[in-house]
Amino acid sequence: NAGVTQTPKFRVLKTGQSMTLLCAQDMNHEYMYWYRQDPGMGLRLIHYSVGEGTTAKGEVPDGYNVSRLKKQNFLLGLESAAPSQTSVYFCASNPVAGWEKKDYGYTFGSGTRLTVV
Amino acid sequence: AQSVTQLDSHVSVSEGTPVLLRCNYSSSYSPSLFWYVQHPNKGLQLLLKYTSAATLVKGINGFEAEFKKSETSFHLTKPSAHMSDAAEYFCVVSDRAGGFKTIFGAGTRLFVKA
Repeated sequence: NAGVTQTPKFRVLKTGQSMTLLCAQDMNHEYMYWYRQDPGMGLRLIHYSVGEGTTAKGEVPDGYNVSRLKKQNFLLGLESAAPSQTSVYFCASNPVAGWEKKDYGYTFGSGTRLTVV
Repeated sequence: AQSVTQLDSHVSVSEGTPVLLRCNYSSSYSPSLFWYVQHPNKGLQLLLKYTSAATLVKGINGFEAEFKKSETSFHLTKPSAHMSDAAEYFCVVSDRAGGFKTIFGAGTRLFVKA
């Protein structure tokens, strides 16, 4: 099925460990995003990309890095995990087509539940 | 400046009764407006969108929303609630002011009683 696929779905890390979350989309969307969702905090944008080879910081980028080497993939890295990074992480993509860059709506992945102990 | 306010954090209705989830927005330009639904332990799913066409927008599962510029509102409605509608709903505004920017509301949790 077409859409956004996130791996892994669940992960437990020890403080200081590193990991990479993978997001893949097969809809040829230009824009991709990483959000985190925490109780009472809503969705917060970590990093985003407006095309292959580009990345930009969002609202809460500290402690995370990203890469978009291929248009269909957007990787989120945690270099040294901290308990404050315990969260549910969502990847999303958006076509944002045309010269006027109209927003046609996001397609979200099913999420990665990360616990840092 | 861009902002979105969901006026109720929780809404409780009985099955078969109407649903109203309220959303007000602020935008400097002609915005695009969206409603997303999130069922427990799932990702967000696009319910409907307004992108400067018809002001009454129909979405999936019988939901609809009306864009009212004079009231800066984009309320979500459904004539008859179903148990499967129990979920969290997010109102989202997106416009070109200051670059491509999307703001998510805090969410409204909908409870449906049998």
